[in-house]
Amino acid sequence: SQTIHQWPATLVQPVGSPLSLECTVEGTSNPNLYWYRQAAGRGLQLLFYSVGIGQISSEVPQNLSASRPQDWQFILSSKKLLLSDSGFYLCAWIPNTEAFFGQGTRLTVV
Amino acid sequence: DAKTTQPPSMDCAEGRAANLPCNHSTISGNEYVYWYRQIHSQGPQYIIHGLKNNETNEMASLIITEDRKSSTLILPHATLRDTAVYYCIVRVVGTTDSWGKLQFGAGTQVVVTP
Repeated sequence: SQTIHQWPATLVQPVGSPLSLECTVEGTSNPNLYWYRQAAGRGLQLLFYSVGIGQISSEVPQNLSASRPQDWQFILSSKKLLLSDSGFYLCAWIPNTEAFFGQGTRLTVV
Repeated sequence: DAKTTQPPSMDCAEGRAANLPCNHSTISGNEYVYWYRQIHSQGPQYIIHGLKNNETNEMASLIITEDRKSSTLILPHATLRDTAVYYCIVRVVGTTDSWGKLQFGAGTQVVVTP
């Protein structure tokens, strides 16, 4: 069966530090993968999506970047975190009719 | 993708039916209506989806109006565990251009009370 993993679950980072969140998918090939961010009390905002290795589309300009080094791996990064990067980050795999989400990463930038 | 409009919050008594409305007046012919819910600090969970016919599964029922401009998610017997934010989304399925992108609004915060 297919599963999606995301880690870490929580992260507290100082302003100006780097960020790396990882998402992996098992049991399928060439998955369409997505990174979302959710600010407190708001809906999910699509940040990046990828339809294959090395293929990244950015939805909003920001301090973050994404990479797809392997078919099953999707990474969200930042070189220098800002306070405004705090939020709940979700990775999603959307094969066709359903979307499967990771458990999320609660990032607090202090 | 078309946008959706939902009430920001709704209360429901335990054991009663919860009817969650959603407006999607600009929906196009190839867009499906999807419902997800998100319990605090967890990833969203798929509930149900439909194109134009009413749908039912073990979690809920989806009623789509004939003109497809609005829909209602029905939780037949709400429990305390149904307290969550419910998102109504419309999306195209199966196109390579916007394959699978989900645009989430603020959703409806449903609180089920004893």
